[in-house]
Amino acid sequence: NAGVMQNPRHLVRRRGQEARLRCSPMKGHSHVYWYRQLPEEGLKFMVYLQKENIIDESGMPKERFSAEFPKEGPSILRIQQVVRGDSAAYFCASSPGDRSGGYTFGSGTRLTVV
Amino acid sequence: GESVGLHLPTLSVQEGDNSIINCAYSNSASDYFIWYKQESGKGPQFIIDIRSNMDKRQGQRVTVLLNKTVKHLSLQIAATQPGDSAVYFCAENLDQAGTALIFGKGTTLSVSS
Repeated sequence: NAGVMQNPRHLVRRRGQEARLRCSPMKGHSHVYWYRQLPEEGLKFMVYLQKENIIDESGMPKERFSAEFPKEGPSILRIQQVVRGDSAAYFCASSPGDRSGGYTFGSGTRLTVV
Repeated sequence: GESVGLHLPTLSVQEGDNSIINCAYSNSASDYFIWYKQESGKGPQFIIDIRSNMDKRQGQRVTVLLNKTVKHLSLQIAATQPGDSAVYFCAENLDQAGTALIFGKGTTLSVSS
C-alpha cells in the first residue's frame, strides 16, 4: 500500500529554468496539498487541490507558481523562471477529504536553484 | 503571522525522561489538531491527533492534551528514546472536509543517552 509518492527527490535547476514537481496521492485519496519548507522553518501552505479543481491557492505566490491535479496522473507543482529564493523542500500531502483527517505526507522534493 | 506557534524551539532530554512539547494556537475556530514528527531529510510523520470535543488522547507512549480555554496543545512523550530525536510540529485546521493544515515552526527534540 504505497503512501504519497513524490518525485524527483532532489532537483537542481539553474536560475531562469522551470521546475516541475510531481505528487501521486495515496490510493483512495482525492485531495492534495502542497507545502514549502525553508531550512529551519515550518511548513507553509501553498495550495489545495481536488481532481481538476483548485480549492485554495491562498498560499501560492501570484507570479511564476502554478499547480494542477488532472483527472489522470499526478498533481504537478510548476515553478517557472526559478530564482535562488525558490530553493526549499516542497512537500505534498493527501487526504480522503472527509472528516477523518488522514493527512499523509510524502518524502518531499528538495529543489536547489544554482 | 503564524496561526500556530510553539513555545520553545529546542528541547534537550536524557534517555528515559518524559518530554513535553508545547504549542499555542491563535484561531479559536480551529477544532482539529495533529502532531507530526519530522526526521532530517524526511517528510512529516503523523504521531497523534485530537478533535476539539476531547481534551486528552493517548497513543503508544504519547499523549496529546488540548486546553481550548487558553488555546494550548501539548505532546507528552513517555520514556523518551534516542529514536525520538526529531523536529515536532503541531498543526491545526477547521474540522471540515479537506481544509488545509496550518503548521507552526517546530520544536527540535534532542535525546541524549
